[in-house]
Amino acid sequence: AQSVTQLGSHVSVSEGALVLLRCNYSSSVPPYLFWYVQYPNQGLQLLLKYTTGATLVKGINGFEAEFKKSETSFHLTKPSAHMSDAAEYFCAAVNTGGFKTIFGAGTRLFVKA
Amino acid sequence: DVKVTQSSRYLVKRTGEKVFLECVQDMDHENMFWYRQDPGLGLRLIYFSYDVKMKEKGDIPEGYSVSREKKERFSLILESASTNQTSMYLCASSLAGGSYGYTFGSGTRLTVV
Repeated sequence: AQSVTQLGSHVSVSEGALVLLRCNYSSSVPPYLFWYVQYPNQGLQLLLKYTTGATLVKGINGFEAEFKKSETSFHLTKPSAHMSDAAEYFCAAVNTGGFKTIFGAGTRLFVKA
Repeated sequence: DVKVTQSSRYLVKRTGEKVFLECVQDMDHENMFWYRQDPGLGLRLIYFSYDVKMKEKGDIPEGYSVSREKKERFSLILESASTNQTSMYLCASSLAGGSYGYTFGSGTRLTVV
């Protein structure tokens, strides 16, 4: 069955530092891949998605993610962290031809001043 | 701006009460979903619907039911609320097909006392 693994339940970075949140999926056929962000006491918001085509995907708020089929990975990055980036981030996958989303367990990002 | 609206942000109910959580979307989306989110357990799918009057059980349907009489509205019903149903409940919707991603509501934090 499809699964999504996020490495690290908590990640802490300094303001201005690189943000790297890791995500791996398990599927023999590359699925559709997504990153969502959740601010405290809010629902999830779509950050970016990969469906087909270019493997480097740009999203909102300066985030981007790269799909690497050989590594079954879809890591999320941002060159310079801002205090407002502190939130929980979820990686998610949908099997091609399906519509049910499999979510990772989430990674909480802390940004230190 | 497209929206998924959950009727209540915070609810406090007594054990044994019948509880209705309402979700309305204005995007003409075919698919609608109910999740609950608990610390350490991530997002767990309760029920989903891919068309009016259609419903499918998710991973944790016990103690819940749903209703979708109109395309835009998807209601979650707790038949007899229990303390272990205290949680954050998230509604989401999506277009048919899996490549579009979900739009989430802001969530309802339910406390059962």
